Amino acid sequence: GAGVSQSPRYKVAKRGQDVALRCDPISGHVSLFWYQQALGQGPEFLTYFQNEAQLDKSGLPSDRFFAERPEGSVSTLKIQRTQQEDSAVYLCASSLPGGYINQPQHFGDGTRLSIL
Amino acid sequence: AQSVTQLDSQVPVFEEAPVELRCNYSSSVSVYLFWYVQYPNQGLQLLLKYLSGSTLVKGINGFEAEFNKSQTSFHLRKPSVHISDTAEYFCAVSDPVKKSNFGNEKLTFGTGTRLTIIP
Repeated sequence: GAGVSQSPRYKVAKRGQDVALRCDPISGHVSLFWYQQALGQGPEFLTYFQNEAQLDKSGLPSDRFFAERPEGSVSTLKIQRTQQEDSAVYLCASSLPGGYINQPQHFGDGTRLSIL
Repeated sequence: AQSVTQLDSQVPVFEEAPVELRCNYSSSVSVYLFWYVQYPNQGLQLLLKYLSGSTLVKGINGFEAEFNKSQTSFHLRKPSVHISDTAEYFCAVSDPVKKSNFGNEKLTFGTGTRLTIIP
């Protein structure tokens, strides 16, 4: 079946512009995570959704970062007034409900964002 | 806060030789442990996970890892590597599930180890 799909794969923006990154999770996966991966680093948690509810946004680095998942499926990560330090790969992951165990997260190929 | 340390940023290994990628974690509570692989320009793929039970965990592509609670380690091993194993490998840890998060917890990753296979 189809995996997690992210678009665009590459995005170049000028400093100060707003950008929107899209994530299509695996069908039936109610949990959705966003991570930020800087060059040469491991991914770092940004935010987590269970269906349409944003249960954890503790990793968002500033109020310029905003994520939504209005219908509990597709999610959009928006970055306003982009800065050069926002340049990174943004990864989306989805998983089944955990219940009593932590279900494995399935990752998309990411969006590589470059801020000029 | 939890943290993961991958001491080796790069590991070169000859083809068909064994390899061990080291991972240590710090946590005061029980954790779940994972190894992911990332090929160039791709997302992360789960290699294996430790949730409970046997401390020796077998994963895909011939990899295995051993959970050592006393040493807070979860090292990844493969007895004989192939060219196709060239990739970045990430160790990750998550908290045990909380009801408030509906059983899904965020992952905390190490900085990764780049495995290069020498023909």
